[in-house]
Amino acid sequence: SQTIHQWPATLVQPVGSPLSLECTVEGTSNPNLYWYRQAAGRGLQLLFYSVGIGQISSEVPQNLSASRPQDRQFILSSKKLLLSDSGFYLCAWSAEGSPLHFGNGTRLTVT
Amino acid sequence: AQSVSQHNHHVILSEAASLELGCNYSYGGTVNLFWYVQYPGQHLQLLLKYFSGDPLVKGIKGFEAEFIKSKFSFNLRKPSVQWSDTAEYFCAVNPTDSWGKLQFGAGTQVVVTP
Repeated sequence: SQTIHQWPATLVQPVGSPLSLECTVEGTSNPNLYWYRQAAGRGLQLLFYSVGIGQISSEVPQNLSASRPQDRQFILSSKKLLLSDSGFYLCAWSAEGSPLHFGNGTRLTVT
Repeated sequence: AQSVSQHNHHVILSEAASLELGCNYSYGGTVNLFWYVQYPGQHLQLLLKYFSGDPLVKGIKGFEAEFIKSKFSFNLRKPSVQWSDTAEYFCAVNPTDSWGKLQFGAGTQVVVTP
């Protein structure tokens, strides 16, 4: 069966520091991969999605970037964190035409 | 761009009461529709989905939802809730021409009291 792993679960970083959140999927090949941000009272906002290695689409302009160095690995990064980057980040995967499956999320606090 | 509106942000009800959560979307094309649930301390899980066919879809744990195309609605229902249904519920819409780019509603926090 397919599983999705996301880490770390929580992270506290100072303003201006770099960020790297990792997500890996097991048990499937060539998944579509997504990064969402969940804000209280605002649902989930799609940040990035990828249909293949090295293929990244950004949905909203922001201080973050994403990379997909391997088929089942999706990384969310920032060179310099802002206070406004605080939030709950969710990685998800799907096969074409199938619902999304979400990871457990990372709670990021920028201080 | 499409948008998704969930009518209630917070619902409190007693066990055995009936639940209905409203969801409306705005998009002119064909869509797939979903309800996701997030129980306290757990990750988002798919509750049910509508792709095509019978507009009344049944999901896990006794939930069902009805797609009314003319009203752009996909309301979630459960005839008799349990304390374990306490969770946050998200409606989501995916245009069929851009698979995976779900648009989520803001969520409804449901609290079921014993």
